[in-house]
Amino acid sequence: TQLLEQSPQFLSIQEGENLTVYCNSSSVFSSLQWYRQEPGEGPVLLVTVVTGGEVKKLKRLTFQFGDARKDSSLHITAAQPGDTGLYLCAGAGSARQLTFGSGTQLTVLP
Amino acid sequence: ETGVTQTPRHLVMGMTNKKSLKCEQHLGHNAMYWYKQSAKKPLELMFVYSLEERVENNSVPSRFSPECPNSSHLFLHLHTLQPEDSALYLCASSHDPGVTRTEAFFGQGTRLTVV
Repeated sequence: TQLLEQSPQFLSIQEGENLTVYCNSSSVFSSLQWYRQEPGEGPVLLVTVVTGGEVKKLKRLTFQFGDARKDSSLHITAAQPGDTGLYLCAGAGSARQLTFGSGTQLTVLP
Repeated sequence: ETGVTQTPRHLVMGMTNKKSLKCEQHLGHNAMYWYKQSAKKPLELMFVYSLEERVENNSVPSRFSPECPNSSHLFLHLHTLQPEDSALYLCASSHDPGVTRTEAFFGQGTRLTVV
């Protein structure tokens, strides 16, 4: 069974601060996705990383895939209240489905 | 119009009722999924359909019955549910789940409350 551990589980910061969310596994994934989910809505795909060591940037969000394709991180620079939400990582691997992490609930206070 | 549409958005049902959740995708995908999301729990995969055949059934109670008449539509039939079944039910679609880059696109979910 492939598992993804996300940390921290909860994060509350002030507007303008930087933060990093981690997604770790002992399994190798062929690709890894990050999603953001707002209350009462479905998760929305932010990015997919495929190559070990890959770094992708989406405005103030930087995503990195570990060299061994077992872990990933999401870094947000100068967080804004609009970044508030549940951040989920998901890995595509040997199973014919995505494995989701438990999520990081981010709250950015104005 | 979003790529994956779920109806209804909210549903309140009694334990003896029978209801159905509907999902429709307009993305040309050939795989569809039902997930359950409860408070403070990770997303739980319930069912996977690929090319209209069920390929995954994660020990879901028989009171949940999926149906996939074609690659664009997915239903979840509900009967004699329990209060602990109250949750956000999410539908998703993707290209073949067996390929390397499997990206799921989600609907907005149905908030189900069992009373």
